[in-house]
Amino acid sequence: QAVVTQDPSLTVSPGGTVTLTCGSSTGAVTSGHYPCWFLRKPGQAPRTLIYDTNNKLSWTPARFSGSLLGGKAALTLSGALPEDEAEYYCLLSSSGARVFGGGTKLTVL
Amino acid sequence: EVQLVESGGGLVKPGGSLRLSCAASGFTFSNVWMTWVRQAPGKGLEWLGRIKSKRDGETTDYAAPVKGRFTISRDDSKNMVYLQMNSLKTEDTAVYYCSKDLHYWGQGTLVTVSS
Repeated sequence: QAVVTQDPSLTVSPGGTVTLTCGSSTGAVTSGHYPCWFLRKPGQAPRTLIYDTNNKLSWTPARFSGSLLGGKAALTLSGALPEDEAEYYCLLSSSGARVFGGGTKLTVL
Repeated sequence: EVQLVESGGGLVKPGGSLRLSCAASGFTFSNVWMTWVRQAPGKGLEWLGRIKSKRDGETTDYAAPVKGRFTISRDDSKNMVYLQMNSLKTEDTAVYYCSKDLHYWGQGTLVTVSS
């Protein structure tokens, strides 16, 4: 199974824009990896933000968007709010299974 | 409203077994793929496996670390999905979540493997 890589931590200013990325040890991430993005806050269950690269759920705030960027999956947050401070995980499909990245701790400061 | 409620967690000794259950409601259970994910203390999320719907063959896929030890099954008549965990190790200590389509999540159940 592939190793999925994410930046361990990122910081964004309130109102700013940040892009989180998700890479694969097997090569470029494509739509065929069905990238998903999840938000995780302490003590809470994971919350799905994006599925299949760029599809949002009904509860996904408009400030979040998914894409493919430079061979990686990307989650862009435009107009960061203090409540967006959390851990963000990507998930890729790999040889019939799925693999999470190690997560990115996003600080809004 | 979609609801997923995990149960069956607890304290178990290394080498022991445990079966987790996930009760689903608020949607047509038989049509969906169900997934199990865990998060160990201080660690990230880990995908464990999934079971497809009956119409998609009810086949299962597992992550390498649990393949051969964990088994996912479902009972569409009861709207339940199960995770049978055998030969448990201390590193299996985690909160275990079930998920519908990787869109909806339960609140999790804690499994502690310790002597």
